[in-house]
Amino acid sequence: DQQVKQNSPSLSVQEGRISILNCDYTNSMFDYFLWYKKYPAEGPTFLISISSIKDKNEDGRFTVFLNKSAKHLSLHIVPSQPGDSAVYFCAARPYSGGGADGLTFGKGTHLIIQP
Amino acid sequence: DADVTQTPRNRITKTGKRIMLECSQTKGHDRMYWYRQDPGLGLRLIYYSFDVKDINKGEISDGYSVSRQAQAKFSLSLESAIPNQTALYFCATSDSLVEQFFGPGTRLTVL
Repeated sequence: DQQVKQNSPSLSVQEGRISILNCDYTNSMFDYFLWYKKYPAEGPTFLISISSIKDKNEDGRFTVFLNKSAKHLSLHIVPSQPGDSAVYFCAARPYSGGGADGLTFGKGTHLIIQP
Repeated sequence: DADVTQTPRNRITKTGKRIMLECSQTKGHDRMYWYRQDPGLGLRLIYYSFDVKDINKGEISDGYSVSRQAQAKFSLSLESAIPNQTALYFCATSDSLVEQFFGPGTRLTVL
């Protein structure tokens, strides 16, 4: 059973416009949510995270929104640039007090920025 | 130089062979992880280690073993490789803050 879901395998956005990537989760025992970006033949690169006690975190062109009641988060990229074309993974970390560790990943969304 | 390195980057092997994938890090982090990625899927946790004396199973540990030889080194072994272990394998490190830092990956093909 997937605990972190990214239901859009791909997304095409025009350069300069806003890209919105979505992620849903089912487990209430996550304390942090993270977004990673991955280019072909490279490892995932950390982009931005949000604590479960926050509803928004912003870093430059990247903003993550968290709606705990809906168990939903989204990554906004404004403005979108050609270098943003990559696969984006949503990931979640369990509460550290439970002794568990490691991230649970969604399947990823391939973002394509059109010129 | 890269902070997290993995060797080899590509490996083709045959069913039944023993394979070791190695990971080294210069970040000084205590926590290290092994993940695998299959086409169209996200990364799944195989094993993780909080320090040299601590090894923990992840979601999909069957068929794998690990060794934490030093703080900087964490190796993953497939004792008897099978075709459904064909995947991309990623090592990651963390200093117990939020994010994990990933290596470039090893592409393993089991024929």
